[in-house]
Amino acid sequence: KAGVTQTPRYLIKTRGQQVTLSCSPISGHRSVSWYQQTPGQGLQFLFEYFSETQRNKGNFPGRFSGRQFSNSRSEMNVSTLELGDSALYLCASSYGKGNTEAFFGQGTRLTVV
Amino acid sequence: GQNIDQPTEMTATEGAIVQINCTYQTSGFNGLFWYQQHAGEAPTFLSYNVLDGLEEKGRFSSFLSRSKGYSYLLLKELQMKDSASYLCAVKRNTGFQKLVFGTGTRLLVSP
Repeated sequence: KAGVTQTPRYLIKTRGQQVTLSCSPISGHRSVSWYQQTPGQGLQFLFEYFSETQRNKGNFPGRFSGRQFSNSRSEMNVSTLELGDSALYLCASSYGKGNTEAFFGQGTRLTVV
Repeated sequence: GQNIDQPTEMTATEGAIVQINCTYQTSGFNGLFWYQQHAGEAPTFLSYNVLDGLEEKGRFSSFLSRSKGYSYLLLKELQMKDSASYLCAVKRNTGFQKLVFGTGTRLLVSP
């Protein structure tokens, strides 16, 4: 079966712009989590969605938002981009609640200039 | 709060054994994951421990001691392709898939 698909793979934006990233989970998976990965901070949890509801949120400013659609696809949006938002944004899907393995997508490399 | 510590970098030679340690402090512990991440690629699942003890899966094994807040990943018969970052992640008892990651250990395997 197909893995987790993230689009686009690479993105360059300028400060002040906004960006929307997309994640299509593995078919049948209802949970989607988003992470920001930077060399100094490692993987930082952004938020998690399950059945179109945000279940958990990390410690990020309100400029970071997300949503999940009825087909479990998820988008995250970052408004008023800052240079520090440059990072690899990873999406992970899992079947549902509980101790289930999370499968990661290839990520979207966002560069803010 | 939560704190997960791993060594930043380790080196080893081909054919050797290496142990990557992870210590954590968290409330509501509900399992520990190890992921492997090659440069420029997505993290891939290696192991999951929720009970104390050793889980063995081929050349890789993972150990957990909940009372000590300690886990390790053991890699045997190292191969060059094992050069990667190894991420320790703790799952909290929220019932949902919120993983808190350590900063990762970069392993370099040399000939």
